[in-house]
Amino acid sequence: QKEVEQDPGPLSVPEGAIVSLNCTYSNSAFQYFMWYRQYSRKGPELLMYTYSSGNKEDGRFTAQVDKSSKYISLFIRDSQPSDSATYLCAMRNSGANSKLTFGKGITLSVRP
Amino acid sequence: DAGITQSPRHKVTETGTPVTLRCHQTENHRYMYWYRQDPGHGLRLIHYSYGVKDTDKGEVSDGYSVSRSKTEDFLLTLESATSSQTSVYFCAISDEGASNQPQHFGDGTRLSIL
Repeated sequence: QKEVEQDPGPLSVPEGAIVSLNCTYSNSAFQYFMWYRQYSRKGPELLMYTYSSGNKEDGRFTAQVDKSSKYISLFIRDSQPSDSATYLCAMRNSGANSKLTFGKGITLSVRP
Repeated sequence: DAGITQSPRHKVTETGTPVTLRCHQTENHRYMYWYRQDPGHGLRLIHYSYGVKDTDKGEVSDGYSVSRSKTEDFLLTLESATSSQTSVYFCAISDEGASNQPQHFGDGTRLSIL
């Protein structure tokens, strides 16, 4: 079992839809959770960063972490064509020099 | 955008030749990382640095070496490039400490080895 599993996609939704992107993980030592957005031919861009269970909201984006179930989600409300990108989850433990472990990413397409 | 510049942005070279990729940051961050990104594998860590002259291996370090002689520059070298090293290479930086800051990425170098 890989440490981080992410729904493979791709995912296509109409404009205005609510999008749910999910990752599960097996390492209970993971304490910090991130979502990155990557546009074509660009580097990953940090979208959300959280270190506790619960929800964190930023505009149309909500990151949800459930450490008891080892499950994280990213919700996008009122999705826009500009949200079309690849979304990567990433996580790490709290130790010094600890590494990020990434999901493989899911490509989202929002149709006008 | 985090001040990260990768050079070159694109490179085509032949098997067996040496290749050096450069990552330059203007943020004075302590940590720097090199990743490769391949379809079906996602982002994989090659090497990282936690200070000047301090480096360590990641999960896919075979065939790669790195050097960091000053805070702002982190070099990735393929001593003798192979076709399996065709990939997109990303540099990342972070200012990790007690606050465990996240990593920020450059825009990548597309490397093709023929």
